[in-house]
Amino acid sequence: GIQVEQSPPDLILQEGANSTLRCNFSDSVNNLQWFHQNPWGQLINLFYIPSGTKQNGRLSATTVATERYSLLYISSSQTTDSGVYFCAVEIDNDMRFGAGTRLTVKP
Amino acid sequence: DTEVTQTPKHLVMGMTNKKSLKCEQHMGHRAMYWYKQKAKKPPELMFVYSYEKLSINESVPSRFSPECPNSSLLNLHLHALQPEDSALYLCASSQPPGVPTTAGNTIYFGEGSWLTVV
Repeated sequence: GIQVEQSPPDLILQEGANSTLRCNFSDSVNNLQWFHQNPWGQLINLFYIPSGTKQNGRLSATTVATERYSLLYISSSQTTDSGVYFCAVEIDNDMRFGAGTRLTVKP
Repeated sequence: DTEVTQTPKHLVMGMTNKKSLKCEQHMGHRAMYWYKQKAKKPPELMFVYSYEKLSINESVPSRFSPECPNSSLLNLHLHALQPEDSALYLCASSQPPGVPTTAGNTIYFGEGSWLTVV
């Protein structure tokens, strides 16, 4: 099956810092999404981004489908950005998650 | 309305009990999913229904029995579970491949049901 690798596994930042999270995947995909999971377990959609670049406030994402990777950028991080960030890829309704990046933003 | 609703939010059950988790969406999606998530792990796919038919079953034990009564509802029937089945169970929905949408095939998750088996 498709392999999804995320890096780094853990990231600790000071408030205000910028960061880049990476997602590599092993095959062509129909769909790629970035999620933020809050401490209560809710998976919050950040981006639907099978290819190209999108921005939403302090967050932006880029997927280079031909090279099978995606990047999530977080600028001017805030303590509320803490949590786990998952990349998930989908082929024919089969959506698989990477292991996630656990982000801690310290005040 | 981009919402997937799951009930109950918390469930404690004994190993001999029979219970059900319920999921509902009103986005007109025709694909619905069950995922299981253990602590500090990513969600793992259990089942996928597409057009109310089971299309993916990830070799899940038969003590978990999914049901899709109609295009808006998805149930997960639980029977004779083990303590190691304790986890967060997540429901999700999307459009199946090939269905044109303005949001692409974005998958939306519910808030999950926290299950404890005692």
